[in-house]
Amino acid sequence: DIVMTQSPDSLAVSLGERATLNCRSSRSVLYSPNYKNYLAWYQYKPGQPPKLLIYWASTRASGVPDRFSGSGSGTDFTLTISSLQAEDVAVYFCQQYYTTSWTFGQGTKVEIK
Amino acid sequence: QLHLQESGPRLLKPSETLSLTCTVSGGSISNDHWSWMRLPAGKRLDWIGRIYMTGTINYNPSLRGRVTMSLDRSRSQFSLRLTSVTAADTALYYCARVSGDETVDIWGQGILVSVSS
Repeated sequence: DIVMTQSPDSLAVSLGERATLNCRSSRSVLYSPNYKNYLAWYQYKPGQPPKLLIYWASTRASGVPDRFSGSGSGTDFTLTISSLQAEDVAVYFCQQYYTTSWTFGQGTKVEIK
Repeated sequence: QLHLQESGPRLLKPSETLSLTCTVSGGSISNDHWSWMRLPAGKRLDWIGRIYMTGTINYNPSLRGRVTMSLDRSRSQFSLRLTSVTAADTALYYCARVSGDETVDIWGQGILVSVSS
């Protein structure tokens, strides 16, 4: 299985400031024939189902605010929240769907400083 | 607007069989792919399995033959069966839609299943 490791485990950011979350895969999730990274990001708030934010490493899902952006390729990826809002307090998971057996990161908890 | 709802027993004893159903409304179950995932308290999401509209099914190898998924188009439902449960199977179980891009874009609300003697 591909192991997904996120850093940091938790992050406290002031309102309006930038939050940078990292995700590393134990092997590349870049599929060379289509040059797509099979990497997604989800936002999770307790009591709600996870919400898809980003797929193909950098494509925003429908309805996701443009303050959320994804970048990276191969094994190293970043989710950036450009200007943290109160409603962004959540746990963020990355997920690889490169292999048949999908795997998720352990999550990064984002809080307000 | 597609809506998914999990249902089933919420409390099981060790060695029993977990059986959950996901009811799909607001769209056709035949036009998409479907998946089950779970979130144990304090741990990471765990992918359980995936059923494609073609009928192909993939399971998480870590579940070692305990898991079965099926699709009932006439009832617009898909189901999960996990045998010989232990406390380690206690989790919030989610059913979800898998998009054509292989991403999980619509999730059910989740159902908490506890395994305890």
